[in-house]
Amino acid sequence: DAGVIQSPRHEVTEMGQEVTLRCKPISGHNSLFWYRQTMMRGLELLIYFNNNVPIDDSGMPEDRFSAKMPNASFSTLKIQPSEPRDSAVYFCASRKGPDNSPLHFGNGTRLTVT
Amino acid sequence: QQQVKQSPQSLIVQKGGIPIINCAYENTAFDYFPWYQQFPGKGPALLIAIRPDVSEKKEGRFTISFNKSAKQFSLHIMDSQPGDSATYFCAASNYDSTLGRLYFGRGTQLTVWP
Repeated sequence: DAGVIQSPRHEVTEMGQEVTLRCKPISGHNSLFWYRQTMMRGLELLIYFNNNVPIDDSGMPEDRFSAKMPNASFSTLKIQPSEPRDSAVYFCASRKGPDNSPLHFGNGTRLTVT
Repeated sequence: QQQVKQSPQSLIVQKGGIPIINCAYENTAFDYFPWYQQFPGKGPALLIAIRPDVSEKKEGRFTISFNKSAKQFSLHIMDSQPGDSATYFCAASNYDSTLGRLYFGRGTQLTVWP
């Protein structure tokens, strides 16, 4: 079990540039979550998918953020255009089955927008 | 609106001490309360979880105490060690929901001095 795989681990970009974060969930997991972690706001849920379908995207901060899950083994979170306030650690997590099963987090992508 | 309120934000104890982290919730539909542990540079990982049919659950040196009437639960770490230094998140959700989500507290940064 390779765990949830996120790439890149670190991303430094300039304001206005497009940023794409990638996630490969654990095989067999049918729910996928994108979180953002900052000192000020803690862990914020941005969006989550169940069986590749977006269930709740109310946490997506603005239209600059979009997420896709084209198949069960891949998801992307895109920010276009990026802004300095988007700097944070972005986590992807996956879960097998219902709410009581553990969330498995990746090691995150640290995004810095200058 | 923070569904789960966690305190304190940070905590420093000596080795062997018993740090206590507290959480409170309002939504009476919540019936599953996990704790996640996060080390620097890593994603959070499930540590221990409790359901409200019991008032206490113990796994090794980690104990969850649950007070259903007060809608509060807490994490106790017995005989704390420097290796326990991490950020701890409480969370809450609806146990049987297949489309549900975890609501996380803001996190507590624990430092255990040797």
